[in-house]
Amino acid sequence: EDQVTQSPEALRLQEGESSSLNCSYTVSGLRGLFWYRQDPGKGPEFLFTLYSAGEEKEKERLKATLTKKESFLHITAPKPEDSATYLCAVQLHGSGNTGKLIFGQGTTLQVKP
Amino acid sequence: GAVVSQHPSWVICKSGTSVKIECRSLDFQATTMFWYRQFPKQSLMLMATSNEGSKATYEQGVEKDKFLINHASLTLSTLTVTSAHPEDSSFYICSARDTTGANVLTFGAGSRLTVL
Repeated sequence: EDQVTQSPEALRLQEGESSSLNCSYTVSGLRGLFWYRQDPGKGPEFLFTLYSAGEEKEKERLKATLTKKESFLHITAPKPEDSATYLCAVQLHGSGNTGKLIFGQGTTLQVKP
Repeated sequence: GAVVSQHPSWVICKSGTSVKIECRSLDFQATTMFWYRQFPKQSLMLMATSNEGSKATYEQGVEKDKFLINHASLTLSTLTVTSAHPEDSSFYICSARDTTGANVLTFGAGSRLTVL
């Protein structure tokens, strides 16, 4: 069975305290791994897509990396406005024509000033 | 960038009534849209894949007669929750992919359904 597991479930950081979020996956065939940010009461906002092991992508204080078993979302010197739930999702081979995603349960990040 | 609009953003209804939620791609065409359901503090669970001009594909455990999906045009998909009950109260989110662009799913802002 295809599974996506995120850890930790919740993370509290002080402003400026860097950390990493983990997304581990067990799937039949990975086409792509996606990271989204979700604020309370809103839909997910796209951050990154990673397609192959060793690939890295950056956006401001965020950097996403991918291995054959997991992905990390590194947050460098976070600010309070980075507080949100971060969702990881996988797209499987065969689903590429439709783009269907399977989501992990998310990591809720709180950054305190 | 691609924008997906959902309407209504929140709705309250009485038990036994039906509620329709619209999902529109505003600046692109989407042959495929997806409907997700999210319970409080939980992740998104895919309910169905909406295909323009054909029947939706439902995930295992999702009642087809309960959650009616219509995708009549390249920019509009609707989800109708029929004979709603309190256990149907949830956050419903749609998403769409611009078939001519990058492999990115854009999500709507969600619709909060409360059934009394």
